[in-house]
Amino acid sequence: DTAVSQTPKYLVTQMGNDKSIKCEQNLGHDTMYWYKQDSKKFLKIMFSYNNKELIINETVPNRFSPKSPDKAHLNLHINSLELGDSAVYFCATRAVREGLPDFGPGTRLLVL
Amino acid sequence: GENVEQHPSTLSVQEGDSAVIKCTYSDSASNYFPWYKQELGKGPQLIIDIRSNVGEKKDQRIAVTLNKTAKHFSLHITETQPEDSAVYFCAASPGNEKLTFGTGTRLTIIP
Repeated sequence: DTAVSQTPKYLVTQMGNDKSIKCEQNLGHDTMYWYKQDSKKFLKIMFSYNNKELIINETVPNRFSPKSPDKAHLNLHINSLELGDSAVYFCATRAVREGLPDFGPGTRLLVL
Repeated sequence: GENVEQHPSTLSVQEGDSAVIKCTYSDSASNYFPWYKQELGKGPQLIIDIRSNVGEKKDQRIAVTLNKTAKHFSLHITETQPEDSAVYFCAASPGNEKLTFGTGTRLTIIP
């Protein structure tokens, strides 16, 4: 079983559309994150949730809205997609007070 | 906030030789320093980390060193193999909650 899974793996869409990326973890970890990796491979944290509560919200446009329906899921909804949103989005999880983030396989988003 | 610089951006070494990647950080409160390996089409995978209370840590062919006074840390890979080819990221954090990543080093092992 994959510890951290993301769907879809690839997402190609038009500018202006609304799309969602889903993340699920079976590790029982309390903390989940979304990271964005741009075309130059730069990795930057977007959001962090701990037990379904938002902990970190970096300077991300409010078109991005994370939703955590339960401890095992953290989804990312993006409204009015723009060309600059094209990137690889990684979900990650971490057990509280120990360890470091485990990353999912990524979702490659291309906005045309 | 934390700022992490990583060098070099690309590195090619002959198989069997050693590779060294260096990072500097700015926030003296940082005390977690992990290294991640990212293979093509995959997510970053944690390979080793060092905490601020130690100066060196080794795991088989991989070693990390930390100089808190100078605010720099390094990754050393010995006896490199083709499967070591990947992009390597250093990171720093003042607790393990929020990692600030370096810009990555693309390591190529030449057979």
